[in-house]
Amino acid sequence: EVQLVESGGGLVKPGGSLRLSCAASGFTFSTYSMNWVRQAPGKGLEWVSGISSSSKHIYYADSVRGRFTISRDNAKNSLYLQMNSLAVEDTAVYYCARDLGAALGTISLDYWGQGTLVPVSS
Amino acid sequence: SYELTQPPSVSVSPGQTASIACSGDKLGDKSASWYQQKPGQSPVLVMYQDRTRPSGIPERFSGSNSGNTATLTISGTQAMDEGDYYCQAWDINSGGVFGGGTKLTVL
Repeated sequence: EVQLVESGGGLVKPGGSLRLSCAASGFTFSTYSMNWVRQAPGKGLEWVSGISSSSKHIYYADSVRGRFTISRDNAKNSLYLQMNSLAVEDTAVYYCARDLGAALGTISLDYWGQGTLVPVSS
Repeated sequence: SYELTQPPSVSVSPGQTASIACSGDKLGDKSASWYQQKPGQSPVLVMYQDRTRPSGIPERFSGSNSGNTATLTISGTQAMDEGDYYCQAWDINSGGVFGGGTKLTVL
């Protein structure tokens, strides 16, 4: 059974940093691209960042580029999101999601974690 | 930056057909995915590559994509289909763009 379990969320002050983790199991992690998606309270989904299976290709939304860093450790079946210079607008539930890998140049997130809440407030 | 636009809400009577549109510049040249999200739950992929249903998604869900519009169609809509629906497409400059979401109400 595929499982994605996020951790590391919690209250942080504006300007602070936080590192999210996503532990994957039930599939060959090293062969799938992975993504982070967030959802602000009462709002829609926002794609944050994606990383290819080998970490060769990394992508960011404009809203987080330069502040967030995605990475993965295939030996540990883990995905990470380092978040720096956090702002109130970054308050959201952060989801880890697997890309089905249907075809190059497409995105289809077939498994999602339960999410971890990151409130940014003073 | 690339943008996808969805109607905020769609209402349908039980047993009828619901259509949810997603529009974006030359979206038909891209591959659209659709997600269903119910309150307090993580999103679920219900359609990918415009018209392919993942395993376990009922046949009443179908999809199309042409021109500037992708459409998710639910035939014989059931109460359990209520929720928020999001389209998504990959853009080389903007990444995995989501539409704003459509709340489907089954009256």
